[in-house]
Amino acid sequence: EAEVAQSPRYKITEKSQAVAFWCDPISGHATLYWYRQILGQGPELLVQFQDESVVDDSQLPKDRFSAERLKGVDSTLKIQPAELGDSAMYLCASSSRLAGYEQYFGPGTRLTVT
Amino acid sequence: DQQVKQNSPSLSVQEGRISILNCDYTNSMFDYFLWYKKYPAEGPTFLISISSIKDKNEDGRFTVFLNKSAKHLSLHIVPSQPGDSAVYFCAARGGSNDYKLSFGAGTTVTVRA
Repeated sequence: EAEVAQSPRYKITEKSQAVAFWCDPISGHATLYWYRQILGQGPELLVQFQDESVVDDSQLPKDRFSAERLKGVDSTLKIQPAELGDSAMYLCASSSRLAGYEQYFGPGTRLTVT
Repeated sequence: DQQVKQNSPSLSVQEGRISILNCDYTNSMFDYFLWYKKYPAEGPTFLISISSIKDKNEDGRFTVFLNKSAKHLSLHIVPSQPGDSAVYFCAARGGSNDYKLSFGAGTTVTVRA
């Protein structure tokens, strides 16, 4: 069964350092999402891609976060510099019109900023 | 601005009994509602969904009910099994060409043997 892949699964970094997460969506899924989930809360959308274009990044803290999906396949989310409040689970999801636009999630990257 | 709310952070139920999870929303433009299940250290997995034009959808042990006038939906799990112990998220889709999901804070279900 096709899955969304994410790496790394866990990341510990010191504040002010740079950190990057990678996501490979299900093959053929044109839409890719990055979510942040803080403990005790639901996932919150950071950025949505349609192919290589950003559709929605209204909740992305653009002073320190960036995201790209250069070839419309895999994607990278970067934080520079990391802050203590960035500690969270970062989830990637993908969807397609043929799959009814239901979003399929990867296992996530657990980020701890010390 | 929390548009999807799950007011019960936790639920404990005995194995074999019914689990009822509730969700309220404020945006009348939502056109599709989903429930996701999440185990620790894993991403959410899709469980069941319902279109805003329906009031019930059933899939095996899982049934979702939608009351549009009350802006309320619920997930029924019957009978509850130990493997159902997880966090359950209610999510709503924006409608029209907006496929972004708004999530509730989740309800942690514990099924007791």
